[in-house]
Amino acid sequence: QKEVEQDPGPLSVPEGAIVSLNCTYSNSAFQYFMWYRQYSRKGPELLMYTYSSGNKEDGRFTAQVDKSSKYISLFIRDSQPSDSATYLCAMRYGGATNKLIFGTGTLLAVQP
Amino acid sequence: KAGVTQTPRYLIKTRGQQVTLSCSPISGHRSVSWYQQTPGQGLQFLFEYFSETQRNKGNFPGRFSGRQFSNSRSEMNVSTLELGDSALYLCASSLLGQGGSGNTIYFGEGSWLTVV
Repeated sequence: QKEVEQDPGPLSVPEGAIVSLNCTYSNSAFQYFMWYRQYSRKGPELLMYTYSSGNKEDGRFTAQVDKSSKYISLFIRDSQPSDSATYLCAMRYGGATNKLIFGTGTLLAVQP
Repeated sequence: KAGVTQTPRYLIKTRGQQVTLSCSPISGHRSVSWYQQTPGQGLQFLFEYFSETQRNKGNFPGRFSGRQFSNSRSEMNVSTLELGDSALYLCASSLLGQGGSGNTIYFGEGSWLTVV
């Protein structure tokens, strides 16, 4: 069983829809949670970074962490065609390491 | 402020050859990590360096190696290339050596390696 599970999609939504992306994890040692966006043939770009249970909002993006359920989510409001990309969840342990464990990524297509 | 720079961006190698990839972190960043991304396995951690010391290594064979220089620039080397080594190799840098609210990890655009 992988430490981080993510539905690979693909997920297709109409422009303006609310998108919900999710990851589950099995290791309670994870302390930091991130969402990256990756466009085709580009490197991952950090969208959200959280380190506690609860919600964090940044513009049209909201990240949610539920440590008791080992479940994280990313919500995208008013989705745009430019949001079409692969979304990767990533997790980091505490302590002296920057090692990230990634989900497989969800491919999102926003149709105009 | 320049981002993480990786060279070369694209390269084609033959089975059995070796390859060296280079990474220049964001100015001031002392932590560099390397990842391999393939369609089947996704993003997998290769190794992590902080102040020229390797702190963590992923589950890859000894053909994969790396190093970090005193200016924080890093290189990774793959010897005796196999077809399965074809992948996007990503370098990431961060300011600190551990997690924290301000310690964001930034990725480069990657080096696309094709082994034929």
